[in-house]
Amino acid sequence: AQSVAQPEDQVNVAEGNPLTVKCTYSVSGNPYLFWYVQYPNRGLQFLLKYITGDNLVKGSYGFEAEFNKSQTSFHLKKPSALVSDSALYFCAVRGLKAAGNKLTFGGGTRVLVKP
Amino acid sequence: EAGVAQSPRYKIIEKRQSVAFWCNPISGHATLYWYQQILGQGPKLLIQFQNNGVVDDSQLPKDRFSAERLKGVDSTLKIQPAKLEDSAVYLCASSSDRLSYEQYFGPGTRLTVT
Repeated sequence: AQSVAQPEDQVNVAEGNPLTVKCTYSVSGNPYLFWYVQYPNRGLQFLLKYITGDNLVKGSYGFEAEFNKSQTSFHLKKPSALVSDSALYFCAVRGLKAAGNKLTFGGGTRVLVKP
Repeated sequence: EAGVAQSPRYKIIEKRQSVAFWCNPISGHATLYWYQQILGQGPKLLIQFQNNGVVDDSQLPKDRFSAERLKGVDSTLKIQPAKLEDSAVYLCASSSDRLSYEQYFGPGTRLTVT
């Protein structure tokens, strides 16, 4: 079975400082990895994905994530956080053997960027 | 391009009552998903449709939940009878096909069962 762990319930960071949101995964075979962001009273918005190729993936709004196969991690990063980045972030994994396009989500990490 | 539409946005019902949610996916998207997101947790897939056929309903509590996508476009999710633990946000998502990497989510329906 595939699973995702987001070890931090909340991350606090000052505006302008670098932001990191951690994610580790477990899946059979090569993983497809995703980050989504959720703002209050809104659905999930796609940020970025890793399918294959370069381990550093760049996405929307200045976010990037680094795939590390040996550590089974896919941490989300942003060099300089904005107050508007305050939201709930979800990491998700899909294994090649998963039926259809089934995504398994982590429990989410709340990011609070303080001015 | 219009996004995934869902209605209602909010619903409050008493336990043992029934409720239905509606979803209209992005035009042309063949694959439709229903997720349940309990407060403080990540979304959990309930059911996946490919056109009007079910691909995966392994986590759907079939004794009380049902879903249909009769014409391969919009979909309804029903709960009958509702329990307190069904209080959650129900998210609909769509993708262009079952192998597409990106799923596009609607705003969700927040259900409160009292």
